[in-house]
Amino acid sequence: QSALTQPASVSGSPGQSITISCTGTSSDVGIYSYVCWYQQHPGKAPKLIIFDVTSRPSGISNRFSGSKSGNTASLTISGLQAEDEADYYCSSYTRSSTLIFGGGTKLTVL
Amino acid sequence: QVQLQESGPGLVKPAETLSLTCTVSGESSTDYYYNWFRQPPGRGLEWIGYIFYSGSTNYNPSLKSRVSISRETSKWQFSLKVTSVTAADTAMYYCARGSIAAGGVQPWGQGTLVTVSS
Repeated sequence: QSALTQPASVSGSPGQSITISCTGTSSDVGIYSYVCWYQQHPGKAPKLIIFDVTSRPSGISNRFSGSKSGNTASLTISGLQAEDEADYYCSSYTRSSTLIFGGGTKLTVL
Repeated sequence: QVQLQESGPGLVKPAETLSLTCTVSGESSTDYYYNWFRQPPGRGLEWIGYIFYSGSTNYNPSLKSRVSISRETSKWQFSLKVTSVTAADTAMYYCARGSIAAGGVQPWGQGTLVTVSS
């Protein structure tokens, strides 16, 4: 099973919005609403910021939002802040009852 | 508040077995999945597998032949074993609670670095 496809890096200025894409197939992202997004700061464990495509865990800022169209899911961060600089990973449940990740996207806040 | 903590040797010799334990504290429900993940230095995340509290397991097909996850219910501990390790198994290993389908995986332990080297 191949990994999901994410851009290696994105950047934006404070206050701007950015979107990170996550492309899968009709065996994972395309057929399940079980896409998650994780934020990982250097030296730290991943932190769940979006689950089930669009839902936010308690305590996660509403500046983070998720969506999906066909085989591609997206994470949008609005009102960029310096603290948002981190690596972001998407994941999806698959037809084989397993979990796959994207390669990760490094977000730089300029 | 639920917390998870990984523990185990930080150095394993090639061809030997990697063994890690995840200790769960602050948990009272048995209705959860417990997962193992790993992340090689400078690289992305990989799901290794999970165990449900009842004991049922599910593994990443790419690792299935070398991996086993078990539990000690009396101690709220879950263990990972990876046999016949090579340098490619060098990674930060994380345990985390939650479903790989609905609801997502959280919280995560802080992780433990395992290096495979002679």
